Amino acid sequence: AQKITQTQPGMFVQEKEAVTLDCTYDTSDPSYGLFWYKQPSSGEMIFLIYQGSYDQQNATEGRYSLNFQKARKSANLVISASQLGDSAMYFCAMRDIGGSQGNLIFGKGTKLSVKP
Amino acid sequence: EADIYQTPRYLVIGTGKKITLECSQTMGHDKMYWYQQDPGMELHLIHYSYGVNSTEKGDLSSESTVSRIRTEHFPLTLESARPSHTSQYLCASRDRVRETQYFGPGTRLLVL
Repeated sequence: AQKITQTQPGMFVQEKEAVTLDCTYDTSDPSYGLFWYKQPSSGEMIFLIYQGSYDQQNATEGRYSLNFQKARKSANLVISASQLGDSAMYFCAMRDIGGSQGNLIFGKGTKLSVKP
Repeated sequence: EADIYQTPRYLVIGTGKKITLECSQTMGHDKMYWYQQDPGMELHLIHYSYGVNSTEKGDLSSESTVSRIRTEHFPLTLESARPSHTSQYLCASRDRVRETQYFGPGTRLLVL
């Protein structure tokens, strides 16, 4: 069965510093997609970044980058130059591209707090 | 960016009432989803739809029902609300090209 594991319930980072949020996944399917979402206290889920299992390069979107290590089954999110507005819950998710449903499975999330 | 809307944003209601949570998207996405999320917890899929007249139950058992009569509209109904239904409900639709799910702002439901 597919599974997403986020082992950091909470993280602190100083403003303007970089932070890495961990995510490991488990799937037997060779074709899959990995996503990161941000959820502020207001509750909406904001899509940040996507990595396909066959993508040769790590995905980047502005200050967000995904450190994809396929052999280790990890897909860590790196946020550079943290800002106060980055304080939120961050969820890693996986979609089985080859499966019949292709639905997302979410990890338990990491609460990031950015200190001024 | 996706245009997906949910109403109401907040709802406080008494036990036994029937409620409908609205979800609409204007991108013409075929695939739509409902998730349930308790505070500080992960999201659980409760319903999904691959198109008009297509609905399926998700991984988490739910007493709610859904319908998909139009592509853009995917409402969720609770026939008789109970305190155990108190949660946040998030609707999403999936982009055909990027295969990414985009979420609405959510509905926070409190059943007294």
